[in-house]
Amino acid sequence: GIQVEQSPPDLILQEGANSTLRCNFSDSVNNLQWFHQNPWGQLINLFYIPSGTKQNGRLSATTVATERYSLLYISSSQTTDSGVYFCAVEFLSNQFYFGTGTSLTVIP
Amino acid sequence: DTEVTQTPKHLVMGMTNKKSLKCEQHMGHRAMYWYKQKAKKPPELMFVYSYEKLSINESVPSRFSPECPNSSLLNLHLHALQPEDSALYLCASSQGGHSEAFFGQGTRLTVV
Repeated sequence: GIQVEQSPPDLILQEGANSTLRCNFSDSVNNLQWFHQNPWGQLINLFYIPSGTKQNGRLSATTVATERYSLLYISSSQTTDSGVYFCAVEFLSNQFYFGTGTSLTVIP
Repeated sequence: DTEVTQTPKHLVMGMTNKKSLKCEQHMGHRAMYWYKQKAKKPPELMFVYSYEKLSINESVPSRFSPECPNSSLLNLHLHALQPEDSALYLCASSQGGHSEAFFGQGTRLTVV
């Protein structure tokens, strides 16, 4: 089956620092999303980005589908950015598979 | 409105109990999903309904029984669960056809 690997698995940042999270996938995909899972388990949509670059405030994402990876950039990190970040890919129609996740801790 | 609502938020059940999880969306989405998430792991796909028909069953044990009564509702019936089935159960929906998926806040299930 399709493999979706995220790096790094864990990340600790000082408040105000920038970071880049990576999502690698093993096969061509039709869809890619980034989520932030808060401590209560809620998955919050960050980006729907099958290809190209998008920005939303301090966050931006880039997907290079031909090279099978996506990047999530977090700038000027805040403590509220803490949590687990997942990418999820849609390999075949209506089959979303999650990456391994990056656990981010932002310390004041 | 991009809301998917799951009830209950928390559920504790015995191994001989029968219970149901409920998921509702009013976005007109045609695909609905159940995922299971264990602690410190990514969500794992269980079932997919497309146009109210079960289209994907990821080899889930029969003690989990999904049901889609209409295009807005998705249920997961639970019977004779084991303690290892304790997890966060997430529901999601999408328009289908490679579109954005939205998740509910989950039901945290504990089997005792």
